[in-house]
Amino acid sequence: QLQLQESGPGLVKPSETLSLTCTVSGGSISSSSYYWGWIRQPPGKGLEWIGSIYYSGSTYYNPSLKSRVTISVDTSKNQFSLKLSSVTAADTAVYYCARDKEVGGFDPWGQGTLVTVSS
Amino acid sequence: AIRMTQSPSSFSASTGDRVTITCRASQGISSYLAWYQQKPGKAPKLLIYAASTLQSGVPSRFSGSGSGTDFTLTISCLQSEDFATYYCQQYYSYPLITFGQGTRLEIK
Repeated sequence: QLQLQESGPGLVKPSETLSLTCTVSGGSISSSSYYWGWIRQPPGKGLEWIGSIYYSGSTYYNPSLKSRVTISVDTSKNQFSLKLSSVTAADTAVYYCARDKEVGGFDPWGQGTLVTVSS
Repeated sequence: AIRMTQSPSSFSASTGDRVTITCRASQGISSYLAWYQQKPGKAPKLLIYAASTLQSGVPSRFSGSGSGTDFTLTISCLQSEDFATYYCQQYYSYPLITFGQGTRLEIK
């Protein structure tokens, strides 16, 4: 059974870079036909897609975040990562990683990790 | 970007009720729509994709319909575990994915 798990600091200072890693188990991140995505959810609010990556390294980003986002993949570790630069309090959210079915939604999801931006 | 609008934003219902949640797209998206269920403190769970295809393992009391701009999620007989927030998501303009704002379903 495919499982995803986010990891990384829970507290980031304003203007710094948020870094998270998603570890995939129970399957290969190099599986064809799937992208791997990041989605976030500010406390009490809705879902926002951040971006997605293919195992080859091909990426897509949300235009509203594109200038600050980098998503990378490490197939040897079965992981993909998110970097979000120049963070502000508005970037405080639960960050989820998920398998992106492209035409079929996101499934499964990681449990999510809360990242708070505060000095 | 394609805007997804759900209605209502929240409502209450009783166990055993039949309920319907609506999702409207700002432009036609064919059947490129997914529905998710999210419980407090948990990750969203995919229920339906391609507007009406039930994800494996999802109870048959959940159903989806619609195409173009108007879509519905129906729960035929509410169970206690169904009280949650539901989100629609379009992937017609993939990779420019957008979600609806969510519909909170509470116990009456």
